[in-house]
Amino acid sequence: DGGITQSPKYLFRKEGQNVTLSCEQNLNHDAMYWYRQDPGQGLRLIYYSQIVNDFQKGDIAEGYSVSREKKESFPLTVTSAQKNPTAFYLCASSRQLYGYTFGSGTRLTVV
Amino acid sequence: ELKVEQNPLFLSMQEGKNYTIYCNYSTTSDRLYWYRQDPGKSLESLFVLLSNGAVKQEGRLIASLDTKARLSTLHITAAVHDLSATYFCAVDMGGTSGSRLTFGEGTQLTVNP
Repeated sequence: DGGITQSPKYLFRKEGQNVTLSCEQNLNHDAMYWYRQDPGQGLRLIYYSQIVNDFQKGDIAEGYSVSREKKESFPLTVTSAQKNPTAFYLCASSRQLYGYTFGSGTRLTVV
Repeated sequence: ELKVEQNPLFLSMQEGKNYTIYCNYSTTSDRLYWYRQDPGKSLESLFVLLSNGAVKQEGRLIASLDTKARLSTLHITAAVHDLSATYFCAVDMGGTSGSRLTFGEGTQLTVNP
């Protein structure tokens, strides 16, 4: 079955450390997205990519970086510049007129 | 800048009652989505509304869209405990920068026996 796979499900980051969240899709969707969700809040867009080798900043891109070298993959790196990274991270993909599909999420905690 | 506002943010209701969640957005959009989220889980797609006057029903949930008023509603009929969750509306921006969703803050619904 097609879908989006996010890994790991839980991730712990030490102060000053970079960590990378994985997002892979086998839906043949062109566009991919990263959202952040804080407790009791809505989702905010971090980065998105409409095609391979191209991506745009969302509303809260500072302290994050992405790459889109393959259509299937859109990893998100949370850098040490992100001072408050503890949150639930959701990856999504879409194909025009087909709606959005969300992954199961990665819960990142700073220790 | 697109703003999406939901109200109420918290809703506690009795089983069997009806209620409506409102979603207002600030700029023209091609489509509007409703999602359900259970605690600690991802988003479950409920509805996609594509045109003015669109109405869709799934079980006890009815969603509608008024693009002229920039308003969508999610009506809950004869609520049951299983509907307890957080509900989000999201507006698809589109445009030259590509499609992307802007979410409301969410409505946390609790249905009490």
